[in-house]
Amino acid sequence: KQEVTQIPAALSVPEGENLVLNCSFTDSAIYNLQWFRQDPGKGLTSLLLIQSSQREQTSGRLNASLDKSSGRSTLYIAASQPGDSATYLCAVRPGLFAAGNKLTFGGGTRVLVKP
Amino acid sequence: KAGVTQTPRYLIKTRGQQVTLSCSPISGHRSVSWYQQTPGQGLQFLFEYFSETQRNKGNFPGRFSGRQFSNSRSEMNVSTLELGDSALYLCASSFKPSGNTIYFGEGSWLTVV
Repeated sequence: KQEVTQIPAALSVPEGENLVLNCSFTDSAIYNLQWFRQDPGKGLTSLLLIQSSQREQTSGRLNASLDKSSGRSTLYIAASQPGDSATYLCAVRPGLFAAGNKLTFGGGTRVLVKP
Repeated sequence: KAGVTQTPRYLIKTRGQQVTLSCSPISGHRSVSWYQQTPGQGLQFLFEYFSETQRNKGNFPGRFSGRQFSNSRSEMNVSTLELGDSALYLCASSFKPSGNTIYFGEGSWLTVV
């Protein structure tokens, strides 16, 4: 059974510092991994999708890496801003086609960027 | 392009009642999945529909059910509500199952009293 872990559960950084968020998963047979952001009381906003064949994906200040063999992904957010304060979740999609969109989520990392 | 739309956004129900939640996926998306989010259990997969067929189901009791219509809109139903069903119910859509980015709606907040 796939298990996804995000450590730490919470993180506080001063504005301008780079953020490094970790995600680990136990079963390396994944199809892809997706990072999401969730603001309090809101739904999930998709940030980046990394296919299992990719090593990294970038969008603006965001960069996500994937090391499938070691079961790890890292989300880097450069030059953090107070608006980056949110909970960040990673989710893995199983490698089996039949598993479709049955994502397994980590518990999330709650980020606070202090002005 | 409109995102995933969920209704109602907030609702309060009494134990023993039943509830129906609705989800309209992004135009052109045919895969709809549902998740339950609670502080204790986090995000858990409920079920997924594609072309009006349930493709996957999570580990939830039979009180939780869903369906998808020919226009890809989906509903989920919870019967005989229990206090533990209080949660944020999130709907997500994608163009097809697996491989594509999944987009979530704002969710439906259900409180069972």
